[in-house]
Amino acid sequence: SQQGEEDPQALSIQEGENATMNCSYKTSINNLQWYRQNSGRGLVHLILIRSNEREKHSGRLRVTLDTSKKSSSLLITASRAADTASYFCATDIGANSKLTFGKGITLSVRP
Amino acid sequence: KAGVTQTPRYLIKTRGQQVTLSCSPISGHRSVSWYQQTPGQGLQFLFEYFSETQRNKGNFPGRFSGRQFSNSRSEMNVSTLELGDSALYLCASSTGQGLWETQYFGPGTRLLVL
Repeated sequence: SQQGEEDPQALSIQEGENATMNCSYKTSINNLQWYRQNSGRGLVHLILIRSNEREKHSGRLRVTLDTSKKSSSLLITASRAADTASYFCATDIGANSKLTFGKGITLSVRP
Repeated sequence: KAGVTQTPRYLIKTRGQQVTLSCSPISGHRSVSWYQQTPGQGLQFLFEYFSETQRNKGNFPGRFSGRQFSNSRSEMNVSTLELGDSALYLCASSTGQGLWETQYFGPGTRLLVL
């Protein structure tokens, strides 16, 4: 079964609006990462938040992590049509580089 | 630095055949991981190689195997292909030496099994 579960499964917003995506996971983690995938291509790393961090920013991205609730959220502010993609959360729970991905959220930003 | 490269990008095979996919990591990266992505199962971890040794393994049958060379390039092999093996196969590289590591993905190889 998936370690991470994203919510919602699909999101459609207007350009300029903010997009919030959530991820819940089951077991304790070392870190949580968010990735973006455009149209069945490779994944692009967006941001990594460590288990001892609560919030992190990168440009228009803001990620929060609540380890007590085993959840994370990704906020994209002032969305653009180019943000249209699938977004995945991935957790690193082992001692080595093994990521467990959720099923992803399809974000559609309408111009 | 050049990114992760995967060859071939597209492949069509028939059931029962075998296939070998190749991945060249970012220069200096010693860890290569492989993932299978399908619409039904999402992204699933296949295995990870570090310094020519398999360090982690997912829950895939023995038909899926891999190896890593001394230059960190990696190959994965799928024998006796089944229709359900049709997927996007992604490899990712990292230095492999930390707990908080970003993985850098290649563009993937799209395999279609007929």
